[in-house]
Amino acid sequence: AQSVTQLDSQVPVFEEAPVELRCNYSSSVSVYLFWYVQYPNQGLQLLLKYLSGSTLVKGINGFEAEFNKSQTSFHLRKPSVHISDTAEYFCAVNSGYSTLTFGKGTMLLVSP
Amino acid sequence: DVKVTQSSRYLVKRTGEKVFLECVQDMDHENMFWYRQDPGLGLRLIYFSYDVKMKEKGDIPEGYSVSREKKERFSLILESASTNQTSMYLCASSGALEAFFGQGTRLTVV
Repeated sequence: AQSVTQLDSQVPVFEEAPVELRCNYSSSVSVYLFWYVQYPNQGLQLLLKYLSGSTLVKGINGFEAEFNKSQTSFHLRKPSVHISDTAEYFCAVNSGYSTLTFGKGTMLLVSP
Repeated sequence: DVKVTQSSRYLVKRTGEKVFLECVQDMDHENMFWYRQDPGLGLRLIYFSYDVKMKEKGDIPEGYSVSREKKERFSLILESASTNQTSMYLCASSGALEAFFGQGTRLTVV
């Protein structure tokens, strides 16, 4: 079985500050990892993904994430956030069986 | 561009009604999914389908059924809507690993 834990339900941050959203996963097999973003009243949009290769992956809107196999983590980072980054962020894992398992989400609140 | 289209953005239905939520994808994907999203609970998988006429239960299938008669279309059916099925419903499709989502249907059962 696979599972995802997002440790923070809400992260408040000031504009232009750096941010890290934490994600830990558990799986008994090799995993593929994803971060999705959801703006208010919208569906989910893929931010970035780790399938194989370099453990540091870059996504859209200046976000990046690092896959750490020993710590079973896939934390999302951005060096300087904007007001427009305010949204809910979901970490997800796929163990290769075609179904994604999602974390409960982290609400990023960026204030001026 | 990849497109997953859900037939309604907002729906209000009465308790006991039969409700159909429709989803269409234009990517020729094998796999399609229905998730339910509730505050603090994230996305929970209701049903998925990996081929026409094939379906598998997800984590919370009770009170729901699905239909996939054509590859591009995946329908979620609430046989007798109840107030605890008030939620945001998200459809997704996937060719292999990555899923693409529709805009969601916010269903209110009164």
